[in-house]
Amino acid sequence: KAGVTQTPRYLIKTRGQQVTLSCSPISGHRSVSWYQQTPGQGLQFLFEYFSETQRNKGNFPGRFSGRQFSNSRSEMNVSTLELGDSALYLCASSLRGPDTQYFGPGTRLTVL
Amino acid sequence: DQQVKQNSPSLSVQEGRISILNCDYTNSMFDYFLWYKKYPAEGPTFLISISSIKDKNEDGRFTVFLNKSAKHLSLHIVPSQPGDSAVYFCAAGVTGGGNKLTFGTGTQLKVEL
Repeated sequence: KAGVTQTPRYLIKTRGQQVTLSCSPISGHRSVSWYQQTPGQGLQFLFEYFSETQRNKGNFPGRFSGRQFSNSRSEMNVSTLELGDSALYLCASSLRGPDTQYFGPGTRLTVL
Repeated sequence: DQQVKQNSPSLSVQEGRISILNCDYTNSMFDYFLWYKKYPAEGPTFLISISSIKDKNEDGRFTVFLNKSAKHLSLHIVPSQPGDSAVYFCAAGVTGGGNKLTFGTGTQLKVEL
C-alpha cells in the first residue's frame, strides 16, 4: 500500500509570494492533518480536514489555508510569504484516531 | 505557550542500556499521549501510545509511563539499539478532538556502540 505522498519535496520562494503544497493520503484515509515543523518549535498543528470539511484548526494566521477534495487529497496554501514561514510542512493521514496517523516525508519550504 | 515540553534536546546512551525520554505537559484536558520517532528526511512514525486511564503501556522494547498527578510521561527503551538513534517526539491530544495533536520539541537520541 502506497504511503502518504507530498509534493513538491522542496520549494524556494521569496517574501510576498504565495505557495500551494499538496498531500495525497493513504487510500481509504479520510482525515488529513497538516503540521509545521521549525527548529526549536517541534511540530505545530495547522489544521485537519475530514471528508472535505475542516474539523480542527491551530493557531496560525489567516494566511494559512487549506482544503480537501472529494478523493481526500488535500492542499494547503500560504499567501504573502514571510521569512518565518520557512519550515518543513508535514501532512498526515489517518483512518481512525491519531495512533493510526501516518506522516508523509514533508515539503521543505525556504522563503528568501 | 508550550503545552507539551521535552526539556532534554539530546540524550546519549550506550547500546544495550536503557534509554529514558521524558515529557511534561500543562494542559489537564489532554487524555491520551503518543510517542513518535523521526529519522532525517522522513516523516514521524507512530511508536506507542497511552490513555490517561492507564499508567503504563508496553510494546516490546518500548514502555510508556504516565504520571497524571505530575503531568509527566516517559518512554523507556530497553535494550537500546543503534537503530533507535532518532528524534523522539511526545504528543498529546483530547478525546473527541479529532486528530489534532500538540507536540513537544523533540529529543535527539543517540545510541552508541
